[in-house]
Amino acid sequence: IAGITQAPTSQILAAGRRMTLRCTQDMRHNAMYWYRQDLGLGLRLIHYSNTAGTTGKGEVPDGYSVSRANTDDFPLTLASAVPSQTSVYFCASSVSGGGNQPQHFGDGTRLSIL
Amino acid sequence: AQTVTQSQPEMSVQEAETVTLSCTYDTSESDYYLFWYKQPPSRQMILVIRQEAYKQQNATENRFSVNFQKAAKSFSLKISDSQLGDAAMYFCAYRIHPYTGANSKLTFGKGITLSVRP
Repeated sequence: IAGITQAPTSQILAAGRRMTLRCTQDMRHNAMYWYRQDLGLGLRLIHYSNTAGTTGKGEVPDGYSVSRANTDDFPLTLASAVPSQTSVYFCASSVSGGGNQPQHFGDGTRLSIL
Repeated sequence: AQTVTQSQPEMSVQEAETVTLSCTYDTSESDYYLFWYKQPPSRQMILVIRQEAYKQQNATENRFSVNFQKAAKSFSLKISDSQLGDAAMYFCAYRIHPYTGANSKLTFGKGITLSVRP
C-alpha cells in the first residue's frame, strides 16, 4: 500500500544523545515535511523540502536538521536531544510544495527525551 | 503572519445529530487554501475537506461540509448525521497560494476534540 513510513514508532532517549527519525514515501511526491505535535499547540512545521536536494526552515527549526538526498527519504536529526523536544513527530508529503495539494501524513513517532 | 484559531477545545454531539466546528484565520492574502484534517486516536492525520478561497461555493464531501465566509475569515466544518467513528481531534489549516513557486507552509490551528455520544 502506497504511503509514508515513519520509524521508529516510539522512542525513549536520554538527553544529549543524537537521534534520527526516518521517513520514507513511495508516492514519488516532490515535497516533504516534518511537523511536531504538542498538546495545546497543534502541529508546527520544523523543516520542509520542495524537491530532492533542497530543504527549508519551518516555524520551529532550532535543534533539528534534515537532508533530502533523494525523492523518497527525508530523515530528521536531533543532534543533541533536549527534554523540550519530547513530542510526537509527523512526516508528511505532497505532490508539490504548494496550492491545494493535500499533505499525506505518516503515523507519527512518539519521542520522549529524559 | 498567518494565524489559525480554533477557540473551542472540546465539543460533544449526540450520534446522528449535526455538529459545527468553528475556525477563524487571519491573513492579508487574497488567494489561499483551507483544509480540515481529522486525527482519530490511531494518531493518523486524515484530510477531511478542502476549500479554495477563490471559490464561492462551499465544499462538500458526503456528510462533511464547510461554511466558508471569506470576508469574516471564517471556515467552519459541519458534520451531519454524526457517527461514533467521527470522534477525533479536528484541525483547521491554512495555506497561501505559492505564486513564486516557493513552498507555502501549512499553518494549523490548535485543534478541537470531538466526542460522539451513543
